[in-house]
Amino acid sequence: EAQVTQNPRYLITVTGKKLTVTCSQNMNHEYMSWYRQDPGLGLRQIYYSMNVEVTDKGDVPEGYKVSRKEKRNFPLILESPSPNQTSLYFCASSSGRQMNTEAFFGQGTRLTVV
Amino acid sequence: AQSVTQLGSHVSVSEGALVLLRCNYSSSVPPYLFWYVQYPNQGLQLLLKYTSAATLVKGINGFEAEFKKSETSFHLTKPSAHMSDAAEYFCAVSDQAGTALIFGKGTTLSVSS
Repeated sequence: EAQVTQNPRYLITVTGKKLTVTCSQNMNHEYMSWYRQDPGLGLRQIYYSMNVEVTDKGDVPEGYKVSRKEKRNFPLILESPSPNQTSLYFCASSSGRQMNTEAFFGQGTRLTVV
Repeated sequence: AQSVTQLGSHVSVSEGALVLLRCNYSSSVPPYLFWYVQYPNQGLQLLLKYTSAATLVKGINGFEAEFKKSETSFHLTKPSAHMSDAAEYFCAVSDQAGTALIFGKGTTLSVSS
């Protein structure tokens, strides 16, 4: 089954404790991205990657890091989480640019930073 | 820069009634437009997309949307609502570089029996 898998689904952590949210896709997609969803704001892009070793900032990259060492994986790293990073995070992948290709989304990771 | 405005953060309809979710876009180039649906505790799923082939786009689950350039709109409709349609709906436009989807703030659809 074609899917994007995120882990964990739920996470509660404390301010400053480094964490990683994993994302893996099994569709051999070149393009992957991370979004955060906040009430009343919709989804906003954090980072994206057009291919292995190629990453770039989205609209809200501050406080986040990513890496793309393998085509299937695109982890999101919070080096020093803060309460304003409490949010619902989605990983997405697609076969190409966001012109006419469908984006496939993971089920989301709900992060709470206390 | 592209942007999307969804009118109405919450829409309530009765089962069997017409569903109309409004979306207006702003784009300096021909847009690529999408509607996604998010069911509770799920990721987003593509309903339909407009890529300039036809102005009336049919999607999954009986939804359709009409692209109106003169009104810069891409409203989502369904003739008869089902209880299972209750979800959050997002309109999105591709940015010019094709590297991001720019989402509206979402509309929550409630369906009552």
